[in-house]
Amino acid sequence: DTEVTQTPKHLVMGMTNKKSLKCEQHMGHRAMYWYKQKAKKPPELMFVYSYEKLSINESVPSRFSPECPNSSLLNLHLHALQPEDSALYLCASSQDNGVAQPQHFGDGTRLSIL
Amino acid sequence: GIQVEQSPPDLILQEGANSTLRCNFSDSVNNLQWFHQNPWGQLINLFYIPSGTKQNGRLSATTVATERYSLLYISSSQTTDSGVYFCAVVDRSNDYKLSFGAGTTVTVRA
Repeated sequence: DTEVTQTPKHLVMGMTNKKSLKCEQHMGHRAMYWYKQKAKKPPELMFVYSYEKLSINESVPSRFSPECPNSSLLNLHLHALQPEDSALYLCASSQDNGVAQPQHFGDGTRLSIL
Repeated sequence: GIQVEQSPPDLILQEGANSTLRCNFSDSVNNLQWFHQNPWGQLINLFYIPSGTKQNGRLSATTVATERYSLLYISSSQTTDSGVYFCAVVDRSNDYKLSFGAGTTVTVRA
């Protein structure tokens, strides 16, 4: 699914750094999602934005801070991460979050915490 | 929450072979998707199939919603089919939440 674009593809950061992951879609979708995927595990939902408002936070630690500046963009701000936060972070979008629309995924950002 | 079970957990195929992957789910669903995650981590949509049968090239899928299972068929497998195949569902009480199975790891040998 290359219609959802994530940057950067790889990120290495120290535990005291602040960085951001970016996700962009131009399909007119109004729901956007962040997932975290550890090696050999399925993706796990972190956040859901619906019509640019945060609708779901799956009890994610505050060192992860999502932001949806407009309907096409989704950011994930990272601060004071721990080594166990190293993972593949996937962004997805769907037409809206009602009536179970299919989700389309980006290629992910592979994050390593030193 | 809804339970999603995939079988088999691992599958080794010789190039050219056919295979069937299964996904069982514990409750009624609004959405069922099959994904292929390639060795580079890309999660690729294969099918959106809450019910019925669909085909796309060498791949096809069937979901029998009343019996709570879905099947993914791979015919004439190629080495590029290697990777992890995930089934994911949205149950009727949670419109937004895609619940994934543990996946089937497929290795196709030349």
